[in-house]
Amino acid sequence: QVQLQESGPGLVKPSETLSLTCVVSSGSMRNYYWSWIRQSPEKGLEWIGYIYHSGIANYSPSLRSRVTFSLDTSMNHFSLKLSSVTAADTAMYYCARGHSSGFLPYFDYWGQGTPVAVSS
Amino acid sequence: SYELTQPPSVSVAPGKTARIPCGGNNIGSRRVHWYQQKPGQAPVLVLYDNTDRPSGIPERFSGSNSGNTATLTISRVEAGDEAAYFCQVWDSSSDQPVFGGGTKLPVL
Repeated sequence: QVQLQESGPGLVKPSETLSLTCVVSSGSMRNYYWSWIRQSPEKGLEWIGYIYHSGIANYSPSLRSRVTFSLDTSMNHFSLKLSSVTAADTAMYYCARGHSSGFLPYFDYWGQGTPVAVSS
Repeated sequence: SYELTQPPSVSVAPGKTARIPCGGNNIGSRRVHWYQQKPGQAPVLVLYDNTDRPSGIPERFSGSNSGNTATLTISRVEAGDEAAYFCQVWDSSSDQPVFGGGTKLPVL
């Protein structure tokens, strides 16, 4: 059974960089779209981006200038860095596995989520 | 950019059938995926590619997709189905997923 587990600081100061990591237990990281998705009452589910097993990443246009993903397939984890955070970045952050059954991807496994608050 | 529209809430009595719509321009030409999210928990995939159920999802969950509306149908609703339900498609033109705003299903 695939499991994803996020870890992160919980509280970040405005203008600083948020760093989160997602550990994937069980299975290969190949051929999946490893994604970050956040959720807030104001914006609902908001896709941040994905990184493919090859290392190619695709980011949401609204966050592209501030976000960077990385992937370590040997250690089965991937990470997010979001710079210059503001209160608008306060949300529950989920990592998820994007899977394609031959068509366009869906998210078949999610982490439990890690809350992030941006406050001084 | 592509948008998906869901009603904020759909109520249903136990044992009855709930139908949760997801609207989008010509959504019938796309493959729609559905997620269930209970309070305090992460979303769980309940349907993918319009009608397919992941392992462990009851047959009571089914889907349809035609024209401008996709529908998640939950038959013989149980108290444990009380949750928010989100639809999702992948917009190939921008290579990114799109989520609906979610529908809360209170079981009255």
